[in-house]
Amino acid sequence: AQSVTQLGSHVSVSEGALVLLRCNYSSSVPPYLFWYVQYPNQGLQLLLKYTSAATLVKGINGFEAEFKKSETSFHLTKPSAHMSDAAEYFCAVSVDAGNMLTFGGGTRLMVKP
Amino acid sequence: SQTIHQWPATLVQPVGSPLSLECTVEGTSNPNLYWYRQAAGRGLQLLFYSVGIGQISSEVPQNLSASRPQDRQFILSSKKLLLSDSGFYLCAWSWGDTQYFGPGTRLTVL
Repeated sequence: AQSVTQLGSHVSVSEGALVLLRCNYSSSVPPYLFWYVQYPNQGLQLLLKYTSAATLVKGINGFEAEFKKSETSFHLTKPSAHMSDAAEYFCAVSVDAGNMLTFGGGTRLMVKP
Repeated sequence: SQTIHQWPATLVQPVGSPLSLECTVEGTSNPNLYWYRQAAGRGLQLLFYSVGIGQISSEVPQNLSASRPQDRQFILSSKKLLLSDSGFYLCAWSWGDTQYFGPGTRLTVL
């Protein structure tokens, strides 16, 4: 069975600073990997996904993530944080195109002015 | 383009009352459908999923049930709500390798 670990349930950065949200997965087969963002009292919005094409994936709002098989990681980054990036971020893994997702526990990103 | 709707957006119900939450998807046919719950301070818990009309799989035994009476309609129900049923309920659909989520329903059981 697959699993996802998001290190750090809360991350705080200053506006303009680098954002790094960590995600490690375990899977016995090549995974599909996803990052979703959730703003307060809203549903989850897809940020980006990795489905065995390029290992560096670019998403919306300036975010990107790099699939590193040797490290079983899929960390999310953004060069410069904006106040509007404050939200909860979820990493998820699926092991087939049948799209049953396993989610990490989420990381709440806070952006300080 | 595809759109997913959930209603109501918020709901306050007394313990022991029934529940019906509805989810509908537009712009696609034969999607997979999912119900998730987010309880306060906890992550996403998959409750039910459906690959077709009348086909429901339950991930967690509990006080809730789901039905899919039409291809693009997914309903979450309970006969008697418990305090522990409070949370944020999310419906999602997929066609291919990605799930897309609805806006959610905030349920408070008092």
